[in-house]
Amino acid sequence: KNEVEQSPQNLTAQEGEFITINCSYSVGISALHWLQQHPGGGIVSLFMLSSGKKKHGRLIATINIQEKHSSLHITASHPRDSAVYICAVDTSGTYKYIFGTGTRLKVLA
Amino acid sequence: GAGVSQSPRYKVAKRGQDVALRCDPISGHVSLFWYQQALGQGPEFLTYFQNEAQLDKSGLPSDRFFAERPEGSVSTLKIQRTQQEDSAVYLCASSPLAGSIVPQHFGDGTRLSIL
Repeated sequence: KNEVEQSPQNLTAQEGEFITINCSYSVGISALHWLQQHPGGGIVSLFMLSSGKKKHGRLIATINIQEKHSSLHITASHPRDSAVYICAVDTSGTYKYIFGTGTRLKVLA
Repeated sequence: GAGVSQSPRYKVAKRGQDVALRCDPISGHVSLFWYQQALGQGPEFLTYFQNEAQLDKSGLPSDRFFAERPEGSVSTLKIQRTQQEDSAVYLCASSPLAGSIVPQHFGDGTRLSIL
């Protein structure tokens, strides 16, 4: 069983839809990161969370430390949101990320 | 440029050949990480440098993989006697802080295909 699991693996949505991507983890963490990877390969950090909720534009990320679960929401989705969204955890006391396998999102116009 | 630069972007090699992948981190960044990302998977940690010191190479899958950062800036990941299972995207990331993965800036990766 992977230490970081994401669902769904693939998601197709129509433009304007509200999207939720989930991440569950089984290890102790000091922080959780949501990353966005475009087809070209480059990875951009979206959020770093250790508690609560963060919002940036149309993106909202939440984390429940007790339940070891985080969600990434995209409101009013747009085709340019099409990418792979990766959840990564920063395990306490280490400098390594443990990555989820990613959620491949495609938003159709 | 201002970001992490990796070269080449794409590399095709025949099984058994040696390859070298380069990473130019952001100037002044102390920490440098290499990751391997197989198709459809998340990245997996390979190795970590703090300046020129390779402090962790626990993720290197075999002794065919070797990484160096001799002057504490540019890093090279070398794979000897490549095999088909080495086909993946190799990502490099750097961070200005020692012993920290945040903030972490990623390069666009090198897509390696072994025929």
